[in-house]
Amino acid sequence: EDQVTQSPEALRLQEGESSSLNCSYTVSGLRGLFWYRQDPGKGPEFLFTLYSAGEEKEKERLKATLTKKESFLHITAPKPEDSATYLCAVQGLGGATNKLIFGTGTLLAVQP
Amino acid sequence: SAVISQKPSRDICQRGTSLTIQCQVDSQVTMMFWYRQQPGQSLTLIATANQGSEATYESGFVIDKFPISRPNLTFSTLTVSNMSPEDSSIYLCSAGQGSTGNTIYFGEGSWLTVV
Repeated sequence: EDQVTQSPEALRLQEGESSSLNCSYTVSGLRGLFWYRQDPGKGPEFLFTLYSAGEEKEKERLKATLTKKESFLHITAPKPEDSATYLCAVQGLGGATNKLIFGTGTLLAVQP
Repeated sequence: SAVISQKPSRDICQRGTSLTIQCQVDSQVTMMFWYRQQPGQSLTLIATANQGSEATYESGFVIDKFPISRPNLTFSTLTVSNMSPEDSSIYLCSAGQGSTGNTIYFGEGSWLTVV
């Protein structure tokens, strides 16, 4: 069964203090690994899709990387507006649909 | 990117009633999904909405409780039937573009409270 585990559950950073969020996954063939940002009371906002080990994508202060077992979301010099819950999801090759299986998320708080 | 609109955004419902949530996408998409997000939890897939045929439900979700329609490539509805307080949740519509659907967007969600 496809499974996603995110760590840590919560992370508190000072503004400018870089760090990484982890997403470990097991899937019977990976079609794609997704990262989303979710603010309270809103739907998830799409950030990245990664497809194969070694791939990296960047957007502003965020960089996502992928290995065969996990993905990291690196946050460089974060600002208070980066505070949100970051969700990781996998899309497997098996099955008739392209559904996403989500982790439980990392709640990031960046203090000024 | 696809813009996904959901209605209602929020509602308070009486126990035993049913409510239909609408999802409209601003472009044709290959896939549409319905998720549930209970307070403080992550997203759980309810079903894949199939255009012109019956939805594909995940384990633990049944058509009688969550009937879904998808009459075309841009619109879907989810009905939450015979509601109980345990159905209080955010219901999210999502849509995928491209031949493999690898850019998947979400609506803002419909926050239902059952009293």
